[in-house]
Amino acid sequence: SYELTQPPSVSVSPGQTASITCSGDKLGDKYVCWYQQKPGQSPVLVIYEDTKRPSGIPERFSGSNSGNITTLTISGTQVMDEADYYCQAWDSTSVVFGGGTKLAVL
Amino acid sequence: QVQLQESGPGLVKPSQTLSLTCTVSGGSISSGIYYWSWIRQHPGKGLEWIGYIHYSGSTYYNPSLRSRVTISVNTSMNQFSLKLSSVTAADTAVYYCARILGGSGKFDYWGQGTLVTVPS
Repeated sequence: SYELTQPPSVSVSPGQTASITCSGDKLGDKYVCWYQQKPGQSPVLVIYEDTKRPSGIPERFSGSNSGNITTLTISGTQVMDEADYYCQAWDSTSVVFGGGTKLAVL
Repeated sequence: QVQLQESGPGLVKPSQTLSLTCTVSGGSISSGIYYWSWIRQHPGKGLEWIGYIHYSGSTYYNPSLRSRVTISVNTSMNQFSLKLSSVTAADTAVYYCARILGGSGKFDYWGQGTLVTVPS
């Protein structure tokens, strides 16, 4: 079965750039989404179709996808960005989530 | 604004069937470009896709759960439902319903989630 691999945790200082990776076989051939989840809340879509931001998501969130790796980048990271982040890939018959990355802003 | 709301028992006995319903408001479940999905999250763990359904009745399930899962749709009530049979304590999780856009694969709207506990 298809698998997506994320680092369990990433740390960043406020104002710096955070990069969270997600790897999978030929992931660049699929559309990838990223979700932010804060404690006790439902996930929120922050990136879809590899690079697009939904309405209301700050410009500091960006995405890229090529080869076997997709990356979520948060520029000028703010304390409010501290959360769990999940990558997700989709084909016409199935969905796969990465294991999630806890982003610590400190 | 589309809203999704899960409902169903919060406690299910081992070996019984877990049944949840998701009510969709602010949009039609019969819109052909969307699929309607169930996702779960074990306590302190990551997201696990369970399956999704199109209003036409086409279903797609996570292979690891396929033998125990049934997802159905009721277009007249604008609802879709999940049944998970033969539950064990390992099925204790927060269950979310969500809308997925076909062609894109993005989950753009999620319910608030409902905790279902299966005692050991």
